[in-house]
Parts: sequence; structure tokens; C-alpha cells
Amino acid sequence: SQKIEQNSEALNIQEGKTATLTCNYTNYSPAYLQWYRQDPGRGPVFLLLIRENEKEKRKERLKVTFDTTLKQSLFHITASQPADSATYLCALAGSQGNLIFGKGTKLSVKP
Amino acid sequence: KAGVTQTPRYLIKTRGQQVTLSCSPISGHRSVSWYQQTPGQGLQFLFEYFSETQRNKGNFPGRFSGRQFSNSRSEMNVSTLELGDSALYLCASSLEGRGARTEAFFGQGTRLTVV
Repeated sequence: SQKIEQNSEALNIQEGKTATLTCNYTNYSPAYLQWYRQDPGRGPVFLLLIRENEKEKRKERLKVTFDTTLKQSLFHITASQPADSATYLCALAGSQGNLIFGKGTKLSVKP
Repeated sequence: KAGVTQTPRYLIKTRGQQVTLSCSPISGHRSVSWYQQTPGQGLQFLFEYFSETQRNKGNFPGRFSGRQFSNSRSEMNVSTLELGDSALYLCASSLEGRGARTEAFFGQGTRLTVV
């Protein structure tokens, strides 16, 4: 069956360090993969979209990689700040085309 | 550009009752998807509407239903509420809604508590 796994439920890092979050999938062949940020009690907010023919994509302090051979995407936040503390979700298209989400990784950045 | 608006923000209902939640998508977006979010299961897809037609449906019982109007506004209805229906219900709008090719814009959600 199709699965999306975000390896860590929670990740704690020190301010200024790079946070690396992992998203693995099985039994999918996604053409696109997306990352979202969600703060408590609020809806997810889109961050980045990466296509299968793109190895890497950057936006300010954010970087996403997409390895279709390993079936994995990595999401990096460089020079992390306490304001980056949130839950980060990866998403890709399910068999019917709708977005399927991983359960998320809760990132805590300590000052 | 106004964002996705969901009403109401909070709702408390009793078991056995029914509830209707509303979602107004971003102007010009024809796809509206609904998700249920709980701490244990994460975001689970309920259904998607595109141009007033249900295009996709997740694995939820028939008590969960929805519709979309000609102005793209959408409603979802849950009948015969159960305690396990307590969750954050999120609506997302997008231009196409298919294949993750375009980003989805989420509303703030409706927090439903069933007592």
C-alpha cells in the first residue's frame, strides 16, 4: 500500500543550526512533492514545491531535495530561528490525484 | 487577495446531531478539498470538489458528505455525529487540485468537538 513517512515525530535543535527533516514514500511515483508548515490550531501553509526532474530547490533559508531513486525528500532550514518552530508536513499526489500528507515533524528551535 | 475562509471556527455538538461546515475558496479557484486532522491520524483526505462535482473521495463513511456551489463555495456535512468525529476540519482551495502540481491554500479550520 502507499505510504508517506516523516521519520521523526519531533526534532529539537539549537538556534543557528541547520534543521534537516526527512520524508520517505513507498509505492508512489510522484511527479511533484510539496512541503507545508503548520502552526498549532492553524491550517498548513505552503512552502515549496519540487518536481521530479528537479534535484534541489531553494527559497531563502529553505532547501528541498527530491531523490526519486531513494524515494526520499529532505527539507533543510539553515540558520534556524525560534520562529521556525512548527510542524512541517510533506505532501504528494495520491492515486486519485488528491494531496496526501505525511503526519509531520514537529520542529523546536531553542534559543 | 482574500484567503480561504472557513466558518464557524469552533463548534460543539452532541452525539447524534449533524453539523454543516462552510468553506469559501480563493477567488478563481475551482478546486476545494476537505481534510480531517486529528493528533493520531494526521491530515486525512475527505473529498475534493471541482466545478460543483465530487472528483475524489477518501475512505470515510457515508455520514460525511459535501457539495460545491456554482460560486465554488463548499459545504461539508456530518450526520449522526460520533465522539470520534472530534477533529480540526480543514478546507483547501487550489487552481487545479490534481496531481500536486499547484499549491493548496488552507483555511484556518473548524474545530469540531463532539460531546
